[in-house]
Amino acid sequence: GNSVTQMEGPVTLSEEAFLTINCTYTATGYPSLFWYVQYPGEGLQLLLKATKADDKGSNKGFEATYRKETTSFHLEKGSVQVSDSAVYFCALHSNDYKLSFGAGTTVTVRA
Amino acid sequence: DTGVSQDPRHKITKRGQNVTFRCDPISEHNRLYWYRQTLGQGPEFLTYFQNEAQLEKSRLLSDRFSAERPKGSFSTLEIQRTEQGDSAMYLCASSSSRGLDTEAFFGQGTRLTVV
Repeated sequence: GNSVTQMEGPVTLSEEAFLTINCTYTATGYPSLFWYVQYPGEGLQLLLKATKADDKGSNKGFEATYRKETTSFHLEKGSVQVSDSAVYFCALHSNDYKLSFGAGTTVTVRA
Repeated sequence: DTGVSQDPRHKITKRGQNVTFRCDPISEHNRLYWYRQTLGQGPEFLTYFQNEAQLEKSRLLSDRFSAERPKGSFSTLEIQRTEQGDSAMYLCASSSSRGLDTEAFFGQGTRLTVV
């Protein structure tokens, strides 16, 4: 079956630091890959996605590249802000559109 | 359209009571999903509908759980004889199987506490 493993947190950074959250997956077929974000007190929001190998998803300064050879979809941001403090979830779905999520990584950015 | 809405946002119930949650998806979305999220974990799939048909149920969904989507619009999730282990955030999401954009949009969830 499908599964997602992401870097454990919590992660604490200073403003303007570089952020990487590792994500690897196991899936049948050709999954689509996602990063969702959950800000304090809010619901899950799609941050970015990639639907095929070598695609790069990007949004709000975050990027992730679909690497089929390493089955990875690591999330990066070059300069984080306090407003990026949230829980980040890596996820995938195959043809059935049912999402499989990682456990989430809590990121705290200090001013 | 204001997105996926769930009601109630919070529910506290005594063990053994029944509870029902409602989800209103984005109006043009034909797929609707229920997930459960416990503290420190990612959401886990429970069940999904395409229009009014329930196409898949997870093994996590015991006989005490039932979900419906009677007219292919809103959905309800009922838990009978609640147990403390049912305490979690219950998330609803919707998506469209038509067109190129099939991403799922989530509601803010219903937090259930069983005491």
